[in-house]
Amino acid sequence: GENVEQHPSTLSVQEGDSAVIKCTYSDSASNYFPWYKQELGKRPQLIIDIRSNVGEKKDQRIAVTLNKTAKHFSLHITETQPEDSAVYFCAASIGDNYGQNFVFGPGTRLSVLP
Amino acid sequence: GAVVSQHPSRVICKSGTSVKIECRSLDFQATTMFWYRQFPKQSLMLMATSNEGSKATYEQGVEKDKFLINHASLTLSTLTVTSAHPEDSSFYICSASSDKWEAFFGQGTRLTVV
Repeated sequence: GENVEQHPSTLSVQEGDSAVIKCTYSDSASNYFPWYKQELGKRPQLIIDIRSNVGEKKDQRIAVTLNKTAKHFSLHITETQPEDSAVYFCAASIGDNYGQNFVFGPGTRLSVLP
Repeated sequence: GAVVSQHPSRVICKSGTSVKIECRSLDFQATTMFWYRQFPKQSLMLMATSNEGSKATYEQGVEKDKFLINHASLTLSTLTVTSAHPEDSSFYICSASSDKWEAFFGQGTRLTVV
C-alpha cells in the first residue's frame, strides 16, 4: 500500500524567512497530493493541492512542487508569518481514483518566530 | 467550499459505555465518507470508509465490532465506539467529498474515556 514520509518533523524559522517541507510517496498510481494545515484541536484545512499532470502550483506565498518520477512533492512557504505556525500534513491519494481517500504523512510542526 | 459538520465536538464517557459521533455533509451529498483517528501529536490514520447503503470498509487492525459505522443517508454517517475504554480516547475526524477532488473535514470529536 501507499506509504508517505514527511520531513522534517519540526521546523523553526524566523518571521519573513522561507519554510520548505518535503514528502515522498510510494504508490506510483497516486495522482493527487493535497497539503493540510492543522491548528491545535481543529480540523485540517486544505491550503494547496497538486495533481500529477502538473509540476508546480503557486498560490500567493504558498507553492507546491511535484516530481512524479522521483515520487517527491514539497511545500514552500515564503515570507513566513507567525500565523503560519501550525502542523502541516502532506497526503497522497490512494490509487488513481478521485482523491477522496488519502494516506497522510506524519506531519511537520512549523514554528515561525517573531 | 462544502461544509461537513461533526457532532459532538467533545465527549467524556465512562469506561464500558458507548459513544455515537455524527458526521453530516450540509450542502452536498456524499456517497462516501471517511473516518480518521488522530492521537496527540500524530498524523491522521484512516479507520474506515463509510459507504452509503452498504457496509463500511475497515482498515487493517481496526475492530469493526468495536467501531460501528452506519451510513444511512447521503448526508449522514455515524461512528459508534462501543464499550469504550481509556485507550480509545482520541481525536476522531470524518471527511467527505462531493464530486471534486478536495476532501472536507468535520470539526473533529475529542473523546475522553474515564
